[in-house]
Amino acid sequence: GDSVTQTEGPVTVSESESLIINCTYSATSIAYPNLFWYVRYPGEGLQLLLKVITAGQKGSSRGFEATYNKETTSFHLQKASVQESDSAVYYCALGGKGFASALTFGSGTKVIPCLP
Amino acid sequence: DAGVTQTPRHEVAEKGQTIILKCEPVSGHNDLFWYRQTKIQGLELLSYFRSKSLMEDGGAFKDRFKAEMLNSSFSTLKIQPTEPKDSAVYLCASSFWGEPEQFFGPGTRLTVL
Repeated sequence: GDSVTQTEGPVTVSESESLIINCTYSATSIAYPNLFWYVRYPGEGLQLLLKVITAGQKGSSRGFEATYNKETTSFHLQKASVQESDSAVYYCALGGKGFASALTFGSGTKVIPCLP
Repeated sequence: DAGVTQTPRHEVAEKGQTIILKCEPVSGHNDLFWYRQTKIQGLELLSYFRSKSLMEDGGAFKDRFKAEMLNSSFSTLKIQPTEPKDSAVYLCASSFWGEPEQFFGPGTRLTVL
């Protein structure tokens, strides 16, 4: 079956420092899946952060970006300067193409910004 | 516009009880998903409906879990009988047909004693 592996948390990062959360996927039933990053802020529901549906493309939102790399089957999430408001759990996910399908999620990475 | 609505937000049940969780998708969405989230297993698919037809049913959950779409704007997830291992957060999500993004509800936290 399909699977997603991401950086185990929690990840503590100093405010204004850069962040990278690694995500690699295995899509046995889908040649080029859609890739997503979802985020859950404290006290809120799961929401889409960004998505990329074409290999080689980059998605960006709220200062975060991720590039769909089909050669390395990776979709790492990066941010140049972390803020306190980025405290959340981040989930990498993949889904089918051409139709809505169930998502396969990674285990989630909790990010904890701290004062430098 | 209203997002995905789930009720109740919290549920406590005794082992062996029957519980019913409810979900209202975003108006106009054709696809509806039920997921379960636990610390050990993470997010797992329970059921997936397209225009009220069951498209996918998580194999591991068939015996005691039954999801239904009573109409295009209302779905239920019944767990019968409940077991302590069912304690988890149950998430409902919906999307437009053909669109990759799913919109999630706030979830129902179920505790089975």
